[in-house]
Amino acid sequence: DGGITQSPKYLFRKEGQNVTLSCEQNLNHDAMYWYRQDPGQGLRLIYYSQIVNDFQKGDIAEGYSVSREKKESFPLTVTSAQKNPTAFYLCASSMNDIYSNQPQHFGDGTRLSIL
Amino acid sequence: GNSVTQMEGPVTLSEEAFLTINCTYTATGYPSLFWYVQYPGEGLQLLLKATKADDKGSNKGFEATYRKETTSFHLEKGSVQVSDSAVYFCALSALSNTGNQFYFGTGTSLTVIP
Repeated sequence: DGGITQSPKYLFRKEGQNVTLSCEQNLNHDAMYWYRQDPGQGLRLIYYSQIVNDFQKGDIAEGYSVSREKKESFPLTVTSAQKNPTAFYLCASSMNDIYSNQPQHFGDGTRLSIL
Repeated sequence: GNSVTQMEGPVTLSEEAFLTINCTYTATGYPSLFWYVQYPGEGLQLLLKATKADDKGSNKGFEATYRKETTSFHLEKGSVQVSDSAVYFCALSALSNTGNQFYFGTGTSLTVIP
């Protein structure tokens, strides 16, 4: 059954600690994305990657880092430099095509909270 | 540039009422348009899509028509159910020099009461 798996579902961070959110997809999609969602708000793009070993900053990249060493994996690290990390984090993937017809597929999200 | 503007919420309807959630877009080129639904504590699920002008996307009783002349993609359902209570996002996909880019509206919260 193809899809996107995010783990863990809930994560707690202490002050000054880095944490890594996992995102794995078995859809053979080229592109992967990380979004942040705050209560009652829309999606804000953190980072995205169109191919392996390459990624670009989105609108709110400060305090976050990513890697894309494998096509199926795109982990997000929330660093201690991110002063307000409490949010719902969503990972997505899509197949690149020249007509931009393909939708994004989303994982079930990780809820990060400060202890 | 590319952007999506959708109707502010929240929207509260009685069961079996007619639903319209407005969505307009700005885009260069020929974008594809999508509606996603998000249930509490979950990720976004694709509800329907349309890839060219005059296409109608439909799924689970929801419909939306890609109107190039009015740059709109309004979501409609003839008779809502309590189980339709969720947040709905309008989105577009467009090509850029770094691949496909996605743009989302801010979401519209729908509550259906029995």
